[in-house]
Amino acid sequence: EVQLVESGGGLAQPGGSLRLSCSVSGFSFDHHAMHWVRQAPGRGLQSVAAISNDGGSTYYADSMRGRVTISRDNSRSTLYLQMTSLRVEDTAVYHCVRVPDGGLAVGYFDYWGQGTLITVSS
Amino acid sequence: DIQMTQSPSSLSASVGDSVTITCQASHDIKKYLNWYQQRPGKAPKLLIYDALHLERGVPSRFSGSGSGAHFSFTISSLQPEDTATYYCQHYDSFSNTFGQGTKVEIK
Repeated sequence: EVQLVESGGGLAQPGGSLRLSCSVSGFSFDHHAMHWVRQAPGRGLQSVAAISNDGGSTYYADSMRGRVTISRDNSRSTLYLQMTSLRVEDTAVYHCVRVPDGGLAVGYFDYWGQGTLITVSS
Repeated sequence: DIQMTQSPSSLSASVGDSVTITCQASHDIKKYLNWYQQRPGKAPKLLIYDALHLERGVPSRFSGSGSGAHFSFTISSLQPEDTATYYCQHYDSFSNTFGQGTKVEIK
């Protein structure tokens, strides 16, 4: 069974930092590109960042470019999102998401984690 | 950037009804349009990819159509478990954009 389990969320102060993790199981992690997608409370879905299966290519959405770094450890089947200079408007549930292939230019998200909530507040 | 306009923002229908949601792109996006279901408190779930292909395990009452800039998503016989918010998503090279969502409720 494919599972994606996020962790690392919580309360952060404006200007602070957090690192999210996504531990996966049930599939060959190093065969798949991965994304982070966020959802602010009561709002829609917004892409944050993506990384190819080998970690060699990354993509950042305008929403957080320059403030986040996506990375992965294929030996640990774990995806990461390092977030800095957090803003109140970054408050959201952050989902770890799989695409069916290894490259970034693949069209759909076939498995989602439940997400981890980040609340940015003073 | 391509904008995705989804409508309606919400709808209410009876069990057994057919409901349709539309998604319009600001430019020609060919077939690169997906549909997701998000039940309350749950993660989104892929239903349709590349405009019309049903994801494995998804009931056949769900369908998608369209190409270019105009797309639609239909639930042919609404069931109580279909209460959810539905999102369209365009994917182009590396970036992707979601529609605003359509909340579907049962009367």
